[in-house]
Amino acid sequence: DTEVTQTPKHLVMGMTNKKSLKCEQHMGHRAMYWYKQKAKKPPELMFVYSYEKLSINESVPSRFSPECPNSSLLNLHLHALQPEDSALYLCASSQALAGAGYNEQFFGPGTRLTVL
Amino acid sequence: DQQVKQNSPSLSVQEGRISILNCDYTNSMFDYFLWYKKYPAEGPTFLISISSIKDKNEDGRFTVFLNKSAKHLSLHIVPSQPGDSAVYFCAASFNNNDMRFGAGTRLTVKP
Repeated sequence: DTEVTQTPKHLVMGMTNKKSLKCEQHMGHRAMYWYKQKAKKPPELMFVYSYEKLSINESVPSRFSPECPNSSLLNLHLHALQPEDSALYLCASSQALAGAGYNEQFFGPGTRLTVL
Repeated sequence: DQQVKQNSPSLSVQEGRISILNCDYTNSMFDYFLWYKKYPAEGPTFLISISSIKDKNEDGRFTVFLNKSAKHLSLHIVPSQPGDSAVYFCAASFNNNDMRFGAGTRLTVKP
């Protein structure tokens, strides 16, 4: 299994809603990532987890709350989002955070989020 | 501060010809470079990479060239096929820190 899966594929939410994005991989990768991609822009790193511990938080607002319940799962909890948070949210995983196996990140298909 | 730049937003080539996608970077500390391909409604897919200790890496129809003095890398696709039509992202990292992506180049290969 060389796949990273993300659910849901599409999500529409109001500014007062609470929702969660889910990411799963069964490749035994120990590093997982959340990226945000706006239209016609490159992916921007949000969070990095290594061995289920938060390793990097790229100054992301607290209305985005990541969670790594186990080595295969990565969640992104959303609360009180703004319309400008509408974007494609990509999850990725890699064998490791450092050394060989870091750089080849495998991406999921993304969740297209619309905040009304 | 865009440390990785892809100055051509789009490129169109004829099937069978060579596609050359270019990427420039500003941070001389970058030591690993990657190309990702992205189809609509899918996440980026890793294509090919190169370490800063090399100047060329080849994988089938895809070759990446690195010119460290010019801080420039390029991806050559020979021969180009219609299925290669996608957005190509250049990415770079240093010391295993987070990757920086370029803005992407949309490649269209015409039959």
